[in-house]
Amino acid sequence: SQQGEEDPQALSIQEGENATMNCSYKTSINNLQWYRQNSGRGLVHLILIRSNEREKHSGRLRVTLDTSKKSSSLLITASRAADTASYFCATGGATNKLIFGTGTLLAVQP
Amino acid sequence: DAGVIQSPRHEVTEMGQEVTLRCKPISGHDYLFWYRQTMMRGLELLIYFNNNVPIDDSGMPEDRFSAKMPNASFSTLKIQPSEPRDSAVYFCASKLTGTGYGEQYFGPGTRLTVT
Repeated sequence: SQQGEEDPQALSIQEGENATMNCSYKTSINNLQWYRQNSGRGLVHLILIRSNEREKHSGRLRVTLDTSKKSSSLLITASRAADTASYFCATGGATNKLIFGTGTLLAVQP
Repeated sequence: DAGVIQSPRHEVTEMGQEVTLRCKPISGHDYLFWYRQTMMRGLELLIYFNNNVPIDDSGMPEDRFSAKMPNASFSTLKIQPSEPRDSAVYFCASKLTGTGYGEQYFGPGTRLTVT
């Protein structure tokens, strides 16, 4: 079963613009992770934020976490055509299981 | 490292046939996960192992599905008999203890079509 619901389901932007994706979840978590999936490929880990963190950066990625609202956002700045992919949030709890969200399909137009 | 290796990459079979999917995790990783991805249900965890022992198989849809991990470098997911609703992409992922609740490394997936 999916815990994370992501919005929007699909997003189309121009190269150079910023892309923001949101994730909402239902139960308490230990950490939240974001993954990217290119068409026909496996998922690739992007960034992890722990439940006691509010914001984290990695290159052009910025992730925020609001545990009171049970939500997270992923911001990709200065997007490139190569960023075109599906992006998934995944929540981790007390076990080693990850529960994945529904995903956002991002299309970056050159 | 070659990453997580899965075989076959594509499998087309007829309903009722047995299907075996294979996975080789990253060397040294002690967790192995099997997922299924469909348009309708998204990415679902089927089962995961730690040190070759199944820890949680609550996501396995029914008795037709079984998974084994005979050693640290090999796992199989078997469907017998297969049904059209089993058509999906099956992913294997591995993880190393000591990274906390850290990242999982995914294989390229096996696209299964049951006709």
